[in-house]
Amino acid sequence: AQRVTQPEKLLSVFKGAPVELKCNYSYSGSPELFWYVQYSRQRLQLLLRHISRESIKGFTADLNKGETSFHLKKPFAQEEDSAMYYCAPGIDSNYQLIWGAGTKLIIKP
Amino acid sequence: EPEVTQTPSHQVTQMGQEVILRCVPISNHLYFYWYRQILGQKVEFLVSFYNNEISEKSEIFDDQFSVERPDGSNFTLKIRSTKLEDSAMYFCASIPTGGGLGYTFGSGTRLTVV
Repeated sequence: AQRVTQPEKLLSVFKGAPVELKCNYSYSGSPELFWYVQYSRQRLQLLLRHISRESIKGFTADLNKGETSFHLKKPFAQEEDSAMYYCAPGIDSNYQLIWGAGTKLIIKP
Repeated sequence: EPEVTQTPSHQVTQMGQEVILRCVPISNHLYFYWYRQILGQKVEFLVSFYNNEISEKSEIFDDQFSVERPDGSNFTLKIRSTKLEDSAMYFCASIPTGGGLGYTFGSGTRLTVV
């Protein structure tokens, strides 16, 4: 099965500091990976997907096949970035999906 | 670690039939959600449920869909008269009252409408 791992359940950084949320994946074939964000009990929202290679709200994520990682980064954290972040693989018709557990990001003033 | 359990893992149904997707949220969680993901697309929010009623639903969640918590533990999503475009992975999720560390997702039910 496709699997992603987010090793940090909680990450706390100061405003203005760089942020890196870790995500590692393990499955064969070409991965399709997403980052989702959830602000305080609101619905899950798509933040970005690796195919589009875009930057949303200052966040970027690069797929590193050598390290099997898809870490989410932002150079300067803002207080409104405080939220839950989930790394998730896309659906492959041959595999069951397993979500990452999520990382709670807290930006301290 | 507590889990959100979804059954079945894979359901194949004929177009026009009704299906019920089942979820057992974590026992002390009070907010429940259904999401779906069509192959190759992003996850879409369907509905949130709190205190035995729908608290929010998306435009996808039309009269074809309904949710129930029939016995205080199961949380079900019913799709009446399924269409081909309902084929997707359906995820149940729950969070505790205080928000805690966010969602706990089930592993999903893959629905295939033929």
